[in-house]
Amino acid sequence: DVKVTQSSRYLVKRTGEKVFLECVQDMDHENMFWYRQDPGLGLRLIYFSYDVKMKEKGDIPEGYSVSREKKERFSLILESASTNQTSMYLCASRNPDTRLYNEQFFGPGTRLTVL
Amino acid sequence: GIQVEQSPPDLILQEGANSTLRCNFSDSVNNLQWFHQNPWGQLINLFYIPSGTKQNGRLSATTVATERYSLLYISSSQTTDSGVYFCAVVFSSGSARQLTFGSGTQLTVLP
Repeated sequence: DVKVTQSSRYLVKRTGEKVFLECVQDMDHENMFWYRQDPGLGLRLIYFSYDVKMKEKGDIPEGYSVSREKKERFSLILESASTNQTSMYLCASRNPDTRLYNEQFFGPGTRLTVL
Repeated sequence: GIQVEQSPPDLILQEGANSTLRCNFSDSVNNLQWFHQNPWGQLINLFYIPSGTKQNGRLSATTVATERYSLLYISSSQTTDSGVYFCAVVFSSGSARQLTFGSGTQLTVLP
């Protein structure tokens, strides 16, 4: 089975702190994604990565950066956390990018609270 | 604009009842997935179904790509089926190949 893990289920940080959210997948997937989920707004894509050291902005990249140094790991970084970044963060990965089959798999999520 | 619309937004059922959830999408798609989000927030993959019909136990799904909709059927519902059901697509015209999610159907199954 595909397994996507995230470093924390719950995280509480203070405004201005630098925050790292880690995601690891064990299926050699090339593509990885970070979403945030907020009530009434659904899931929105923050950043994604097609391969190691590659990254592209999603719909709401402001205030975030990412790092993909190894294929299995995709990190989301909040350079200076703010209260409006309190949210549920979901990581996902996907099979090598073919048009025949590209099912996406999600991690358990990290509930981040910024005080 | 490009959209994914789910209906109904909320559904309350008695245990044992059947239900149909609908997903309409505004353009042709390469990928369509149905997810169940459990109370802990985990998105569980139910179906990968860009076209055709699939069944998995009490759940089945049908996507009619030419008419731009997909249906998720839940039969003999159980309280553990409660949660939010999301439809998500990758539009053929999209450059990013990212999933676009619908707003979800909140299902509550009462004992």
